[in-house]
Amino acid sequence: KAGVTQTPRYLIKTRGQQVTLSCSPISGHRSVSWYQQTPGQGLQFLFEYFSETQRNKGNFPGRFSGRQFSNSRSEMNVSTLELGDSALYLCASSLDLLAKNIQYFGAGTRLSVL
Amino acid sequence: AQKITQTQPGMFVQEKEAVTLDCTYDTSDPSYGLFWYKQPSSGEMIFLIYQGSYDQQNATEGRYSLNFQKARKSANLVISASQLGDSAMYFCAMREGMNTGFQKLVFGTGTRLLVSP
Repeated sequence: KAGVTQTPRYLIKTRGQQVTLSCSPISGHRSVSWYQQTPGQGLQFLFEYFSETQRNKGNFPGRFSGRQFSNSRSEMNVSTLELGDSALYLCASSLDLLAKNIQYFGAGTRLSVL
Repeated sequence: AQKITQTQPGMFVQEKEAVTLDCTYDTSDPSYGLFWYKQPSSGEMIFLIYQGSYDQQNATEGRYSLNFQKARKSANLVISASQLGDSAMYFCAMREGMNTGFQKLVFGTGTRLLVSP
């Protein structure tokens, strides 16, 4: 069974641009969450989706947005990029919303903003 | 306030020895889950082990075991018989409100483990 797939693996953008990251969950998984990892702030929760609905959102500015499609694939978008958005963006999928769900992570997209 | 605290920035162990990575947590929610993940230099977070707040026994998964002390709010990871491939960052994480369906994980700052031959 294929794991969580994130594309692209690496991105270089300049300030002010926007970027879209993609996440394909494990087959059959319906919940997708996104996290940002930086050396300074560590791992921080961005948002989570289930059945195309955003169920929870972390403390990030409105420049960060996401969506989930009917096939459970998810995208996140960052508009008007800032230098501080340089990070590893990790996507995780889980089967459903049951209590003992395990989140499985992808390899991440490493975004560099110049 | 920090919800997950990992006080060991780095740990050093020799191959085949056991090592304990510390994790303490803070929550007032009676229903929570505790997770350990391994992150090699490649970046992918690999799930290792899970412990629910209502689980009576400590979780074990192969060479990994979780020393869960609820009253002390600690959930230490024990790796037995360390291997060179265990060298990585290790993160402790917590999910509160396990019955709400929310998936949000709160992570600690991590412990870098180095296994030497």
